[in-house]
Amino acid sequence: AQKVTQAQTEISVVEKEDVTLDCVYETRDTTYYLFWYKQPPSGELVFLIRRNSFDEQNEISGRYSWNFQKSTSSFNFTITASQVVDSAVYFCALSEAQGVTGGGNKLTFGTGTQLKVEL
Amino acid sequence: EPEVTQTPSHQVTQMGQEVILRCVPISNHLYFYWYRQILGQKVEFLVSFYNNEISEKSEIFDDQFSVERPDGSNFTLKIRSTKLEDSAMYFCASSLREGRGDEQFFGPGTRLTVL
Repeated sequence: AQKVTQAQTEISVVEKEDVTLDCVYETRDTTYYLFWYKQPPSGELVFLIRRNSFDEQNEISGRYSWNFQKSTSSFNFTITASQVVDSAVYFCALSEAQGVTGGGNKLTFGTGTQLKVEL
Repeated sequence: EPEVTQTPSHQVTQMGQEVILRCVPISNHLYFYWYRQILGQKVEFLVSFYNNEISEKSEIFDDQFSVERPDGSNFTLKIRSTKLEDSAMYFCASSLREGRGDEQFFGPGTRLTVL
């Protein structure tokens, strides 16, 4: 069974600080996909990134970067120079590629990390 | 940019009543999903739907729940007899493909309140 753990329930930082959100996952599959979604106070789920299990290259997109390490089953997310607009709940999610054939692949979400960025 | 839409944004109902939550997935997408999020908790998978049938469902998705794609655009979730514990935000999502970890695009959600 797949599982995603986000041990940090809430993080508070001051604007311009860097912050790392942790994500640890469990899966028996060798092929799987990892995602990060952002949920701002308005409630919608905003896709941030997808990573497949064969690609361990770190990725940077503007102030966002992701560190994927299969050896520790972790897919951590770092925001550099945080801003107040980054305040949101961030969810890490896992999808196993060997899901039901022809039927889509469900996402298993972690419990989320509430990030508060203050002035 | 195409997006998933959901109606209504907020639904209040009495316990025991039937509710239908509506979603319009992105038009060329083939796979459809419902998730729910109880207030302050994580997002949980309910059901996936492809080719006019359920492809996978979770333990939450019991006989009180059903899904339907009544026409070429809408995708609905029906709760036959609502319970207090059904109060949650319900998200619809769609994806173009199923494999290769295709991105699921989420709608804005319907907040269901059962009194």
